[in-house]
Amino acid sequence: AQKITQTQPGMFVQEKEAVTLDCTYDTSDPSYGLFWYKQPSSGEMIFLIYQGSYDQQNATEGRYSLNFQKARKSANLVISASKLGDSAMYFCAMRVLPGNQFYFGTGTSLTVIP
Amino acid sequence: ETGVTQSPTHLIKTRGQQVTLRCSSQSGHNTVSWYQQALGQGPQFIFQYYREEENGRGNFPPRFSGLQFPNYSSELNVNALELDDSALYLCASSRTSGATDTQYFGPGTRLTVL
Repeated sequence: AQKITQTQPGMFVQEKEAVTLDCTYDTSDPSYGLFWYKQPSSGEMIFLIYQGSYDQQNATEGRYSLNFQKARKSANLVISASKLGDSAMYFCAMRVLPGNQFYFGTGTSLTVIP
Repeated sequence: ETGVTQSPTHLIKTRGQQVTLRCSSQSGHNTVSWYQQALGQGPQFIFQYYREEENGRGNFPPRFSGLQFPNYSSELNVNALELDDSALYLCASSRTSGATDTQYFGPGTRLTVL
C-alpha cells in the first residue's frame, strides 16, 4: 500500500536557523516522485521541491534541500536560514504511476520565531 | 502564482444540492487532478483527467464526477451534497500524467454544506 507519514504535527524554529521536517514513505513501485509543498493560511499549495526515485543526488532549490535516503524510505525537507514568512503548513507527497494517485501526508505546522 | 485558476472562491450549499467547481490549467499542461482537503488534514486525491479522459481515481463515491474540456480546463461535480463534503477543493495541473511530473495547484474553492 502507498503511504506518506509525517510524524511532526508542529515544529518551532528560531529565525535564521535551519530546520528539518521529517517524511517517510511506503511504496513497492520502483518509479515514483516525492514532493514537498508549503500551504500558508491562505490555502494555496506552493510547490517547493521534487525528488525522483531514480535521482542519484539530493534535490536542492534555494534554501530548500531534500535529504533523500532511499533505503530508509525517507525524504526529509531541510530549510536553511529560516524566515518569518516560512511559517506555514508543510506537506510531503508522493506520486506513483499506477493509478496516477498523489498521496499526501498529514502535514507539519512550522512556526518561525523572531 | 502558478497560472492555475479556480472558481468560485467560496460557495455555500445545502445538503442534497448539487455543485460544480471549475478549474483552468496552466498553459501547456494537459493533466488536471482534483483534491479534497478537510480542515486540518492533508489533501485527498479525488481523480485525474488526462486529455479529456479520467485516468486515475481515489476512494470517492460516484456522486463525485468530472469533466475535462479540449482546452484542458476541468469541472468537478458533486451531487447529493452531504455535510462531510464541506472542505477546500484544490485543482492541480501538470505537463503530463507521469509519476515524476510536478503538479501546480490553484488557490482552491472553499465549499460549505449546511
